[in-house]
Amino acid sequence: EVQLVESGGGLVQPGGSLRLSCAASGLTLSGNWMHWVRQAPGKGLVWVSRINSGGSNTNYADSVKGRFTISRDNAKNTLYLQMNSLRAEDTAVYYCARNLDIWGQGTMVTVSS
Amino acid sequence: EIVMTQSPDTLSVSPGERATLSCRASQSVRSNLAWYQQKPGQAPRLLIYDASTRATGIPARFSGSGSGTEFTLTISSLQSEDFALYYCQQYNDWPFTFGPGTKVDIK
Repeated sequence: EVQLVESGGGLVQPGGSLRLSCAASGLTLSGNWMHWVRQAPGKGLVWVSRINSGGSNTNYADSVKGRFTISRDNAKNTLYLQMNSLRAEDTAVYYCARNLDIWGQGTMVTVSS
Repeated sequence: EIVMTQSPDTLSVSPGERATLSCRASQSVRSNLAWYQQKPGQAPRLLIYDASTRATGIPARFSGSGSGTEFTLTISSLQSEDFALYYCQQYNDWPFTFGPGTKVDIK
Protein backbone atom coordinates (compact mmCIF):
# COMPACT_ATOMS: atom_id res chain seq x y z
CA GLU A 1 0.00 0.00 0.00
CA VAL A 2 1.20 3.46 -0.89
CA GLN A 3 1.30 5.62 2.21
CA LEU A 4 3.04 8.25 4.27
CA VAL A 5 2.99 7.75 8.02
CA GLU A 6 3.76 10.59 10.40
CA SER A 7 4.95 10.06 13.95
CA GLY A 8 6.52 11.98 16.80
CA GLY A 9 3.62 14.17 17.81
CA GLY A 10 2.44 14.57 21.36
CA LEU A 11 2.04 16.95 24.27
CA VAL A 12 4.90 19.35 24.93
CA GLN A 13 5.32 22.39 27.14
CA PRO A 14 5.80 25.85 25.67
CA GLY A 15 9.43 26.33 24.78
CA GLY A 16 9.94 22.62 24.27
CA SER A 17 10.96 20.62 21.23
CA LEU A 18 9.63 17.77 19.14
CA ARG A 19 10.88 15.95 16.09
CA LEU A 20 8.30 14.71 13.63
CA SER A 21 9.02 11.93 11.16
CA CYS A 22 7.24 10.96 7.98
CA ALA A 23 8.01 7.48 6.72
CA ALA A 24 7.07 6.37 3.24
CA SER A 25 6.04 2.90 2.24
CA GLY A 26 5.12 1.67 -1.19
CA LEU A 27 6.54 4.83 -2.73
CA THR A 28 9.81 6.67 -2.96
CA LEU A 29 10.40 10.16 -1.64
CA SER A 30 13.58 10.77 -3.61
CA GLY A 31 13.20 12.95 -6.65
CA ASN A 32 10.21 14.72 -5.10
CA TRP A 33 9.62 17.89 -3.16
CA MET A 34 8.33 17.11 0.31
CA HIS A 35 6.19 19.34 2.48
CA TRP A 36 4.81 19.83 5.96
CA VAL A 37 1.35 21.35 6.32
CA ARG A 38 -0.50 21.94 9.57
CA GLN A 39 -4.09 22.40 10.65
CA ALA A 40 -5.01 23.85 14.00
CA PRO A 41 -8.13 22.36 15.61
CA GLY A 42 -11.19 23.51 13.70
CA LYS A 43 -9.12 25.73 11.43
CA GLY A 44 -7.85 25.72 7.87
CA LEU A 45 -4.68 24.40 6.27
CA VAL A 46 -1.36 26.23 6.52
CA TRP A 47 1.81 25.36 4.66
CA VAL A 48 4.73 25.11 7.09
CA SER A 49 7.81 24.09 5.14
CA ARG A 50 9.12 22.38 2.03
CA ILE A 51 12.35 20.74 0.92
CA ASN A 52 13.60 19.84 -2.51
CA SER A 53 14.55 16.36 -3.61
CA GLY A 54 18.22 16.64 -2.64
CA GLY A 55 17.67 18.52 0.57
CA SER A 56 19.62 21.58 -0.54
CA ASN A 57 16.68 23.97 -0.86
CA THR A 58 14.24 24.65 1.95
CA ASN A 59 11.50 27.18 2.61
CA TYR A 60 9.57 28.05 5.75
CA ALA A 61 6.47 29.96 6.68
CA ASP A 62 7.35 33.17 8.50
CA SER A 63 5.58 31.89 11.60
CA VAL A 64 8.09 29.04 12.04
CA LYS A 65 11.24 30.46 10.49
CA GLY A 66 14.20 30.13 12.82
CA ARG A 67 12.39 27.61 15.04
CA PHE A 68 11.60 24.69 12.71
CA THR A 69 14.00 22.75 10.50
CA ILE A 70 12.95 20.44 7.71
CA SER A 71 15.25 17.65 6.56
CA ARG A 72 15.14 14.35 4.76
CA ASP A 73 16.99 11.07 4.52
CA ASN A 74 16.34 9.62 1.10
CA ALA A 75 18.16 6.43 1.98
CA LYS A 76 15.65 5.88 4.78
CA ASN A 77 12.78 7.22 2.68
CA THR A 78 11.91 9.54 5.55
CA LEU A 79 11.15 13.23 6.04
CA TYR A 80 11.66 15.11 9.29
CA LEU A 81 10.56 18.30 10.99
CA GLN A 82 12.56 19.46 14.00
CA MET A 83 10.42 21.87 15.99
CA ASN A 84 12.07 24.01 18.67
CA SER A 85 10.83 26.83 20.90
CA LEU A 86 7.28 25.58 20.52
CA ARG A 87 4.39 27.91 21.22
CA ALA A 88 0.73 27.36 21.98
CA GLU A 89 -0.12 28.56 18.47
CA ASP A 90 1.87 25.66 17.01
CA THR A 91 -0.80 23.28 18.29
CA ALA A 92 -2.11 21.48 15.21
CA VAL A 93 -2.26 18.29 13.23
CA TYR A 94 0.89 18.13 11.13
CA TYR A 95 0.67 16.47 7.74
CA CYS A 96 3.51 15.49 5.47
CA ALA A 97 2.90 15.50 1.74
CA ARG A 98 4.79 14.34 -1.33
CA ASN A 99 4.46 17.06 -3.92
CA LEU A 100 0.76 17.88 -3.75
CA ASP A 101 -0.64 14.46 -4.35
CA ILE A 102 0.10 12.06 -1.50
CA TRP A 103 -0.58 13.03 2.09
CA GLY A 104 -0.10 11.26 5.39
CA GLN A 105 -2.87 11.00 7.96
CA GLY A 106 -1.21 13.49 10.26
CA THR A 107 0.22 13.59 13.75
CA MET A 108 -1.15 15.81 16.51
CA VAL A 109 1.11 18.26 18.28
CA THR A 110 -0.23 19.93 21.41
CA VAL A 111 1.75 22.72 23.05
CA SER A 112 0.42 23.39 26.53
CA SER A 113 1.56 23.68 30.10
CA GLU B 1 1.88 36.51 0.51
CA ILE B 2 -0.88 35.62 -1.93
CA VAL B 3 -4.27 35.64 -0.24
CA MET B 4 -6.81 33.11 -1.43
CA THR B 5 -10.52 33.64 -0.91
CA GLN B 6 -13.35 31.19 -1.54
CA SER B 7 -17.06 31.58 -2.00
CA PRO B 8 -19.53 30.73 -0.77
CA ASP B 9 -18.61 29.74 2.77
CA THR B 10 -21.26 27.03 2.69
CA LEU B 11 -23.08 25.54 -0.27
CA SER B 12 -26.23 23.51 0.35
CA VAL B 13 -26.93 21.14 -2.50
CA SER B 14 -29.24 18.18 -3.07
CA PRO B 15 -27.73 14.86 -4.20
CA GLY B 16 -27.59 14.72 -7.99
CA GLU B 17 -27.41 18.48 -8.35
CA ARG B 18 -24.50 20.51 -9.65
CA ALA B 19 -22.19 22.41 -7.32
CA THR B 20 -20.01 25.34 -8.35
CA LEU B 21 -17.31 26.58 -5.99
CA SER B 22 -15.26 29.72 -6.56
CA CYS B 23 -11.73 30.66 -5.60
CA ARG B 24 -9.95 33.97 -6.08
CA ALA B 25 -6.29 34.88 -5.70
CA SER B 26 -5.08 38.31 -4.61
CA GLN B 27 -2.65 38.30 -7.55
CA SER B 28 -2.08 36.09 -10.54
CA VAL B 29 -1.08 32.51 -9.82
CA ARG B 30 -1.22 31.58 -13.51
CA SER B 31 -2.55 28.00 -13.55
CA ASN B 32 -0.71 26.93 -10.40
CA LEU B 33 -3.88 26.16 -8.51
CA ALA B 34 -5.05 22.98 -6.80
CA TRP B 35 -8.31 21.86 -5.23
CA TYR B 36 -8.57 19.52 -2.27
CA GLN B 37 -11.38 17.71 -0.55
CA GLN B 38 -11.26 17.12 3.19
CA LYS B 39 -13.61 15.11 5.36
CA PRO B 40 -13.65 15.25 9.17
CA GLY B 41 -10.69 13.48 10.71
CA GLN B 42 -9.06 12.86 7.34
CA ALA B 43 -6.17 14.32 5.44
CA PRO B 44 -6.81 16.52 2.42
CA ARG B 45 -7.25 14.65 -0.84
CA LEU B 46 -5.96 16.20 -4.05
CA LEU B 47 -8.72 16.56 -6.64
CA ILE B 48 -7.40 18.97 -9.25
CA TYR B 49 -3.97 20.43 -10.01
CA ASP B 50 -2.74 22.89 -12.61
CA ALA B 51 -6.22 24.42 -12.32
CA SER B 52 -7.94 21.83 -14.51
CA THR B 53 -6.15 18.47 -14.40
CA ARG B 54 -7.83 15.75 -12.40
CA ALA B 55 -5.58 13.86 -10.04
CA THR B 56 -5.23 10.10 -10.33
CA GLY B 57 -8.41 8.27 -9.46
CA ILE B 58 -10.62 11.36 -9.26
CA PRO B 59 -14.04 10.87 -10.89
CA ALA B 60 -14.90 12.79 -14.02
CA ARG B 61 -17.72 14.62 -12.23
CA PHE B 62 -15.05 16.86 -10.72
CA SER B 63 -13.73 19.55 -13.04
CA GLY B 64 -11.67 22.68 -12.59
CA SER B 65 -11.31 25.81 -14.66
CA GLY B 66 -9.77 29.24 -14.61
CA SER B 67 -6.39 30.93 -14.64
CA GLY B 68 -4.80 34.04 -13.26
CA THR B 69 -6.94 35.09 -10.32
CA GLU B 70 -10.32 33.43 -10.84
CA PHE B 71 -10.95 29.70 -10.53
CA THR B 72 -13.91 27.35 -10.33
CA LEU B 73 -14.42 23.81 -9.13
CA THR B 74 -17.52 22.13 -10.49
CA ILE B 75 -19.02 18.91 -9.25
CA SER B 76 -21.47 17.94 -11.96
CA SER B 77 -23.77 15.62 -10.00
CA LEU B 78 -23.20 15.44 -6.28
CA GLN B 79 -22.89 12.03 -4.72
CA SER B 80 -23.30 11.32 -1.02
CA GLU B 81 -19.54 10.95 -0.59
CA ASP B 82 -18.93 14.44 -2.02
CA PHE B 83 -20.36 16.29 0.97
CA ALA B 84 -17.19 17.67 2.51
CA LEU B 85 -14.96 20.71 2.84
CA TYR B 86 -13.15 21.95 -0.27
CA TYR B 87 -10.01 24.05 -0.32
CA CYS B 88 -8.23 25.79 -3.14
CA GLN B 89 -4.49 26.33 -2.89
CA GLN B 90 -1.94 28.24 -4.94
CA TYR B 91 1.56 26.96 -5.53
CA ASN B 92 2.80 29.74 -7.77
CA ASP B 93 4.66 31.59 -5.03
CA TRP B 94 6.07 30.61 -1.66
CA PRO B 95 4.51 30.51 0.84
CA PHE B 96 1.92 28.30 -0.75
CA THR B 97 -1.44 29.41 0.55
CA PHE B 98 -4.87 27.90 0.95
CA GLY B 99 -8.27 29.45 0.80
CA PRO B 100 -10.48 29.25 3.89
CA GLY B 101 -12.61 26.51 2.38
CA THR B 102 -16.15 25.95 1.15
CA LYS B 103 -18.31 23.48 2.99
CA VAL B 104 -20.66 21.50 0.75
CA ASP B 105 -23.52 20.11 2.76
CA ILE B 106 -26.77 18.32 2.10
CA LYS B 107 -29.77 20.47 1.31
